[in-house]
Amino acid sequence: DARVTQTPRHKVTEMGQEVTMRCQPILGHNTVFWYRQTMMQGLELLAYFRNRAPLDDSGMPKDRFSAEMPDATLATLKIQPSEPRDSAVYFCASGLVASPSTFGSGTRLTVV
Amino acid sequence: DAKTTQPPSMDCAEGRAANLPCNHSTISGNEYVYWYRQIHSQGPQYIIHGLKNNETNEMASLIITEDRKSSTLILPHATLRDTAVYYCIVKGSGYALNFGKGTSLLVTP
Repeated sequence: DARVTQTPRHKVTEMGQEVTMRCQPILGHNTVFWYRQTMMQGLELLAYFRNRAPLDDSGMPKDRFSAEMPDATLATLKIQPSEPRDSAVYFCASGLVASPSTFGSGTRLTVV
Repeated sequence: DAKTTQPPSMDCAEGRAANLPCNHSTISGNEYVYWYRQIHSQGPQYIIHGLKNNETNEMASLIITEDRKSSTLILPHATLRDTAVYYCIVKGSGYALNFGKGTSLLVTP
């Protein structure tokens, strides 16, 4: 089965450091989503792209978070500078407009 | 997107059918009902979706009431591996999934 690949699976970093999370969507999928999951807030939509263009990033803290799609095979989510409250599992998902989305296994981020 | 209401938790005996309800009384005519589940520490997994007709696939069945204000996900023969959080989501085509709190299903031996 085709998979969404996220790297790294785990990341521990110190407060103030830059963090970059990567996502390889399923080949042919034109929509990419970024979600964040914490115990308190559950699964939250951060941003999503269609055909590499951002459609909605209203869920993302703009001052420190940025999301890009340098090409159709790579999506990135950066946090700079990172803070302890950013500790969470970050999921990437990909899909087509009229089809269900497929999620990756997530990046578990711990900021100390 | 229309909001959904699900019970926070349910139990089901292994081998029995698990029936998970969802209310979505404000659903619009062009919005679909989607079901996803999340097994501990894994990414959400797609189960099934429908617009107004009942749907069945290898994982589950989806029963949508005629007025579309509620639906039920049916796992016909629950196994221990079906223990997970199940999310009912209503959304239009092309939009993102907005997850609520879901129903935590515990399948017991």
